[in-house]
Parts: sequence; C-alpha cells; structure tokens
Amino acid sequence: GAVVSQHPSRVICKSGTSVKIECRSLDFQATTMFWYRQFPKKSLMLMATSNEGSKATYEQGVEKDKFLINHASLTLSTLTVTSAHPEDSSFYICSVIQGGSYEQYFGPGTRLTVT
Amino acid sequence: QKEVEQDPGPLSVPEGAIVSLNCTYSNSAFQYFMWYRQYSRKGPELLMYTYSSGNKEDGRFTAQVDKSSKYISLFIRDSQPSDSATYLCAMTGTAAGNKLTFGGGTRVLVKP
Repeated sequence: GAVVSQHPSRVICKSGTSVKIECRSLDFQATTMFWYRQFPKKSLMLMATSNEGSKATYEQGVEKDKFLINHASLTLSTLTVTSAHPEDSSFYICSVIQGGSYEQYFGPGTRLTVT
Repeated sequence: QKEVEQDPGPLSVPEGAIVSLNCTYSNSAFQYFMWYRQYSRKGPELLMYTYSSGNKEDGRFTAQVDKSSKYISLFIRDSQPSDSATYLCAMTGTAAGNKLTFGGGTRVLVKP
C-alpha cells in the first residue's frame, strides 16, 4: 500500500492563530488527496477533496475560507486552519489515491488542540 | 437512516476466536468495498479491498460482499490481542468521485 506522512503529528496553538498541516505521499504521485476530521469515538468526516493544480472541493458545511487547502504538487497537500478556535480542536487525517484506483491510503493523522 | 450501518460494539472475544464484523448499506451504486483498521490516535490502515460481490482472503482476513443483500463482512481468524482496534467499513462507486462513505466503526477487543 501507499505510504503517507503527515506533519506535525500533534500541535497545540492559541486561539486566533493559524496552523498548517502537511500531507505527503511518499511513494507515488497522488493526483487526488482528501482531508478528513475525526472527533473522539466517531467515524471520519470528509472535509474536502484536493486535486493537484486546481482548487479544492469542499463538502457542504465546511468553510473554505477557514480551512485553506493547497495541493501544489503531486506529493504534497497542505491544510491551513485559519484563526483557529477551540471548536477546531480535532484529529485531522489526509488520504491519497492513485489515478485510476479506488483504494484510499491514510496518513497517521494530526491532533490539533486550540487553547 | 444512515447510508452505511455498522454496529459500534464493543465486540469482545477471547484470543484465538474468529472475529465477525459486518456492515449493511442502502446505496446500490456502491461497487468498491474496503475494510480499515484504526488504532487509537492513529490513521486508518487499509486491510481489504474488494470489487463487487464475492470473497477475498488475505492471511487471517476474509472479506465477503453480497451486493444482492447489500451486506459486507470481515472475518478475522485466530484473533490476537494486537487485533484490538476499531474496524471501519467504507465503500464507494464510480458516481461518487472516489469519495468514501464510512460506517461508524466497530470497536473490537481481543482478550488474552
């Protein structure tokens, strides 16, 4: 399967600041990446679909100005949580798929805590 | 009604037993079915990937898909304490644009 990394693995920030999370596909070029968030003991909630070289597609109810996604290369997508608030505290996970495949491989996740 | 239903558990079994997990779904357009294992505070790990109906075996894991009943299963043989985790089913179809629809996850505890 694909190897996906995320950085940082955990981050604590103060309310009102912005945080950037990186997702890297280490062993193949990922044309599409997804960003999810997960609350404790809950399943994954898709936030947005990130396609290399084009604007991300956000799910209904997800604020695109708050969760900025940049998929600048075939191996890197970034999620920036702008003006973070305590309610943004969550586990953020990215996934990648290779062109022509439906198999999704997930990163290890980033735990964000906003104080 | 959720699109994918999965019993949250917890499912507790003794070491060496067979773990039986399942999901039901309502969208007949789903064609690709996946099972993920997720340890606490980690990202999901893809265990099994199947297309359409049928069985697939990989080591101790067997995945079954019955599209006529809209029912999928995962069996884990000779369960080990290290299999203790949350298991998520996920599915998609060509019309979904690769977006996965997840079940809520079943927490499994294998007791030594």
